[in-house]
Order: sequence, then structure tokens, then C-alpha cells
Amino acid sequence: KNQVEQSPQSLIILEGKNCTLQCNYTVSPFSNLRWYKQDTGRGPVSLTIMTFSENTKSNGRYTATLDADTKQSSLHITASQLSDSASYICVVSGSSGGSYIPTFGRGTSLIVHP
Amino acid sequence: NAGVMQNPRHLVRRRGQEARLRCSPMKGHSHVYWYRQLPEEGLKFMVYLQKENIIDESGMPKERFSAEFPKEGPSILRIQQVVRGDSAAYFCASSPQASGSSYNEQFFGPGTRLTVL
Repeated sequence: KNQVEQSPQSLIILEGKNCTLQCNYTVSPFSNLRWYKQDTGRGPVSLTIMTFSENTKSNGRYTATLDADTKQSSLHITASQLSDSASYICVVSGSSGGSYIPTFGRGTSLIVHP
Repeated sequence: NAGVMQNPRHLVRRRGQEARLRCSPMKGHSHVYWYRQLPEEGLKFMVYLQKENIIDESGMPKERFSAEFPKEGPSILRIQQVVRGDSAAYFCASSPQASGSSYNEQFFGPGTRLTVL
């Protein structure tokens, strides 16, 4: 069964600090892994996408890593801002009869305090 | 270029009534996906549609739920005889190409929050 597990479930940090969110998956065969940011009351917005051959991908203060051997990914946020407060969702796409239906993690709820 | 639009944003229904949720994909997108998000839960895939075709409905409950994406007009997710357990946020996403492309991003709408009294 395809699964995506994220940790921690929630995280509170002070503005300006760094943090790292984790994602473990069992989706097979693997196609790609995305990190989304979901603000309260809104739909998810894609931050990064990584395929099997990519180890690191950056998007501003967000840096995602992927270890396809251990099936782990992380999202590192540098110099956090109040606007980073949101849910961060790890989404892994596999292949099922040619239709790449993604599996979503439950998300990590990040709160950045001033 | 407007993003994915969903309406209504909030919908309240009494048990036994019907709920109709609409999704207009981004311009040029012909692939639509519906997801359900329960409180404190991750998004769960429901159905994947192209114009006039249901491609994958493996996540859709077998009874009371149906989806369509007609040649003209928005995609509709229909829930008949709603029950309290149907209360959730329903998100629609669209993409320009088939989901099989690794770099084919799904763009999400703002969601419809359904409350069943």
C-alpha cells in the first residue's frame, strides 16, 4: 500500500530560525515527489518537485532533498518568516496502470512566532 | 490567466439533501482531479477526469458520489443524500496534460467547504 508519512506533525519556531520537515514514503514505483505549502483556508501551492535522479532542489528559502534509496525527503526552511506559517505537505506520485495518482502525506503544521 | 476556480466556497446542507460542487480548471487545462480533506487529515484522491471521460475513480465512494466533466462548462462533483460524514473540504486541481508526465504540476483551487447539519 502506498503511504507517505510526515514528521513532525506540528512545529513551532521563532521568526528567523531554520527548521527541517521530514517525509518518508513507500510509494512504488516512484515517479516524483513534491512539497506543497497550504495556507489556512486555501488550496495547496507547489514549492518544489524532485524526480528520482535529483538530490537537492531549492526555491528561495526552501530547500528540498531526496534520498531515493532510503525513500526519504526533507524540506529545509531558512530564516523563517511569519508568512511561512502553514501546512507543508509531501506528495509522492507513483505509477498505476499509466495514471500517476499522487499520495498525500498528512502534512506538518508550522507556526512561526514573532 | 485565472487560476482554478471553485464554487461555492462554503456550502451548508441538511442530511439527505444534495450537494453540487463546481470546478472550473485553468484555461487550457483539460485534466481535472477532485480531492477530499477531512479535518486534521491529508488530502485523499477521489477522481481524475478528462473532458467527457472518467479516467480513474478509484478513490470515489461507490454510492451517492458522482463526478462529470462535460465538453462545455465546469466539472461537477455531486453528492446525493449527504450525511454528516461528508462534511469536509473538497479541492479540485487541474493540469494541462495527462498525469503521467513527471513535470506535470497540478494546480489547486481554493476548495469548497461542505458542512452537513
